[in-house]
Amino acid sequence: DVKVTQSSRYLVKRTGEKVFLECVQDMDHENMFWYRQDPGLGLRLIYFSYDVKMKEKGDIPEGYSVSREKKERFSLILESASTNQTSMYLCASSLRTSGSFVTQYFGPGTRLTVL
Amino acid sequence: GQQLNQSPQSMFIQEGEDVSMNCTSSSIFNTWLWYKQDPGEGPVLLIALYKAGELTSNGRLTAQFGITRKDSFLNISASIPSDVGIYFCAGQLDNNDMRFGAGTRLTVKP
Repeated sequence: DVKVTQSSRYLVKRTGEKVFLECVQDMDHENMFWYRQDPGLGLRLIYFSYDVKMKEKGDIPEGYSVSREKKERFSLILESASTNQTSMYLCASSLRTSGSFVTQYFGPGTRLTVL
Repeated sequence: GQQLNQSPQSMFIQEGEDVSMNCTSSSIFNTWLWYKQDPGEGPVLLIALYKAGELTSNGRLTAQFGITRKDSFLNISASIPSDVGIYFCAGQLDNNDMRFGAGTRLTVKP
C-alpha cells in the first residue's frame, strides 16, 4: 500500500514564525503536491514537484515555498507565518505518466493554527 | 483556474436513505474523480471516471461522467453510519492539474 506521512497532525505557531511541514512517501512517486483545505473552498494547490529539486507554483503559492532535496520528501515552508495561513495542509503523491490518469494518494493532513 | 461547483454543501439523512450529489464546471475535464475524507484523515479515492458517459459502480456507490465532460454525479444507495464524511469531486486535465470541488459534508443519522 502507498503510504504518505506528514510530520505533524496538529501544529500551533505564532505570527512571524518560520514553519516547516514535512511530507514523506514510500512508493517512489515522482510527483508530490501540497494543498491547503479550507471550509467551503475545497482543496487548493499551493505547489507541486515532478522531480527532485523541481517545483512548480500552484494556484496559491504566495507566502509559501517548498523544497524537494530527495525524491521521497517534499517540504512546505511558511517563511513568516500569518493568521490567514491557519488551515489544514494536505500532502499528496502520484506516479508520473504521460497522458493517462494516475491517482493522487493523500497524507492524513496537518492542521496548522497560527496565533 | 477552473472552478468546480459542487452541491449540496451538506446533507443530513437517515440511515438507509439514498444520497445524490453532483459537480459542474464551466470547463471540460479528461477525468472525473470522487474522493471521500473521513474526519481527521486525508481524502481517499472512491471512483475514477475516464470517458464521457461512463457509469461506474463501487459497491453502493455509483458515479457518472457527464456527456458534456463538464459534470459528474455520485449516488450512494442505502446509506449507513460509516458513510459520514466529506465527499469531494475532482476534475483532472493532466497528471499535474487537478481541480477540486468545495465538498459535500454528509451526516447519517442512525
